[in-house]
Amino acid sequence: KQEVTQIPAALSVPEGENLVLNCSFTDSAIYNLQWFRQDPGKGLTSLLLIQSSQREQTSGRLNASLDKSSGRSTLYIAASQPGDSATYLCAVPFSGNTPLVFGKGTRLSVIA
Amino acid sequence: GAVVSQHPSWVICKSGTSVKIECRSLDFQATTMFWYRQFPKQSLMLMATSNEGSKATYEQGVEKDKFLINHASLTLSTLTVTSAHPEDSSFYICSAAQGDQPQHFGDGTRLSIL
Repeated sequence: KQEVTQIPAALSVPEGENLVLNCSFTDSAIYNLQWFRQDPGKGLTSLLLIQSSQREQTSGRLNASLDKSSGRSTLYIAASQPGDSATYLCAVPFSGNTPLVFGKGTRLSVIA
Repeated sequence: GAVVSQHPSWVICKSGTSVKIECRSLDFQATTMFWYRQFPKQSLMLMATSNEGSKATYEQGVEKDKFLINHASLTLSTLTVTSAHPEDSSFYICSAAQGDQPQHFGDGTRLSIL
């Protein structure tokens, strides 16, 4: 059974810092890996999707890497801003049309 | 991009009532829809998977008679929480997928049972 773990559970940084969020999964047989952002009481915003054959994806100040063999992914946020404060979730599906298994998330606070 | 609409966004009701939540794919045909539940400070947990025209598949521990799922068309799935009780209060969120394309999520429904 796939399990997804995210470390740290919470993180507080001053504005402008670069930071790394970690995600690990127990079963390397994944179809892809997604990073989401969730604001309090809100739904999910998809940030980055990395296919199993890829090693990284970039969007603006965000960069996500994937090491499938070791069961790890990282989300790098450059030059953090207060608006980046949210919970970041990573999730993996077993195959293309199967449900996502989510980690518990990392709650990020960026202090101005 | 693909859009999934979920309604209502927030429901408050008395214990014992039934609540229906709708999930619609607005610009694509969703062959599969998923229903997740999220308790405070917890992650999203899958409740059930539904494929258009067939019965939903429920995860272990989810009562199929309490959480009725209907996926009657390629653009609409509904989740009905029957005889809701305070312990059913949670954030419910649906997602829709077309074939093996990535899932697209609705904005969620916050259900509060008094």
